[in-house]
Amino acid sequence: GAGVSQSPRYKVAKRGQDVALRCDPISGHVSLFWYQQALGQGPEFLTYFQNEAQLDKSGLPSDRFFAERPEGSVSTLKIQRTQQEDSAVYLCASRVGTTNTEAFFGQGTRLTVV
Amino acid sequence: AQKITQTQPGMFVQEKEAVTLDCTYDTSDQSYGLFWYKQPSSGEMIFLIYQGSYDEQNATEGRYSLNFQKARKSANLVISASQLGDSAMYFCAMSPFSGGYNKLIFGAGTRLAVHP
Repeated sequence: GAGVSQSPRYKVAKRGQDVALRCDPISGHVSLFWYQQALGQGPEFLTYFQNEAQLDKSGLPSDRFFAERPEGSVSTLKIQRTQQEDSAVYLCASRVGTTNTEAFFGQGTRLTVV
Repeated sequence: AQKITQTQPGMFVQEKEAVTLDCTYDTSDQSYGLFWYKQPSSGEMIFLIYQGSYDEQNATEGRYSLNFQKARKSANLVISASQLGDSAMYFCAMSPFSGGYNKLIFGAGTRLAVHP
């Protein structure tokens, strides 16, 4: 596809379950980002990949959060032992290079932990 | 501390009129980028406009312009000739050099409603 694709669009998880969120960036984009957007707030940075290298994971809230991009294209954000405070929209974005240009966002995955 | 402040939780504008959405930022970096994104109810963040900290001219993209006042650390978005489809959340964001330009810091957003 032409844009950033995220799946699933919606995910309901029982507290304590593990979830995996997928991001397909725009083909050829070097940079990939994950953000967390709580209801009524702006997105907050989670992590950044340049190709397959995770260069910044300073925004991951706990060691229950793990992200990977093993071949430098598709990325997965995994949340282990989900808790209610993990409920949010998880946005993925990609950028063509590494300079300060615009990032293109997917539609997000809305995670609800019950 | 790096921070974006958007003081207007909600704004109303009449169709075809211009509207200004406020954004102030705080950073000690000399080099940074400023972005505006639109988020409709469908959820995706749509890039609108970019201003580099060393750009002397205010950025413009169609009906969008960015009123960049560096000394005041403000980067207001001006939308001219508002359309009904402009109704959405608008986020101001900053990408500082100290983050390698690899981290967007967002404000809380402004919800714009365009009335016919």
